[in-house]
Amino acid sequence: DSGVTQTPKHLITATGQRVTLRCSPRSGDLSVYWYQQSLDQGLQFLIQYYNGEERAKGNILERFSAQQFPDLHSELNLSSLELGDSALYFCASSATYTGELFFGEGSRLTVL
Amino acid sequence: GENVEQHPSTLSVQEGDSAVIKCTYSDSASNYFPWYKQELGKGPQLIIDIRSNVGEKKDQRIAVTLNKTAKHFSLHITETQPEDSAVYFCAASYGQGGKLIFGQGTELSVKP
Repeated sequence: DSGVTQTPKHLITATGQRVTLRCSPRSGDLSVYWYQQSLDQGLQFLIQYYNGEERAKGNILERFSAQQFPDLHSELNLSSLELGDSALYFCASSATYTGELFFGEGSRLTVL
Repeated sequence: GENVEQHPSTLSVQEGDSAVIKCTYSDSASNYFPWYKQELGKGPQLIIDIRSNVGEKKDQRIAVTLNKTAKHFSLHITETQPEDSAVYFCAASYGQGGKLIFGQGTELSVKP
């Protein structure tokens, strides 16, 4: 158990809909990262937050947004969903922004 | 751009043999190179990492080597066991925020 909690574990929804994925980092970790894992696509970096502030951005679509709240949990919002958004979405946390990432078990999103 | 190339994409070895996975990165400013193991249905987990001021690091059957000049780093697993079967990802840090960019992954299969 990495100490990073992601909910929901599985989510099935329809095209055009909006979903919110939630992440609780390890106790004390200030940095939160979101990654997307599609089949044969590896781990694609989406966005990083550090203590509530956006730290770095990857190839995150405009339809996607995220935030980190004062209690350090983070949410990833995916809107106007398309079939191609079906993937595993991982959250990871770290104590700083230059060290080991601890990954949650992921949220599997299926868009039908 | 921010890129990490990893190969091979699949690797099959006999139990007891060695396995080598290679990665290249594009930014000479990258200074942190972790390796993660992902088992089926789980999030990636750190197995070993190396920083740019070190050329080699070993932990029991696992070793990582780094060639900064060539921007190459490699994972070596000796005396492989069936439980080593998993997907392995290399990563490199990019930018001041230290975000990790991952390679495409190597599916390692160790046959008994």
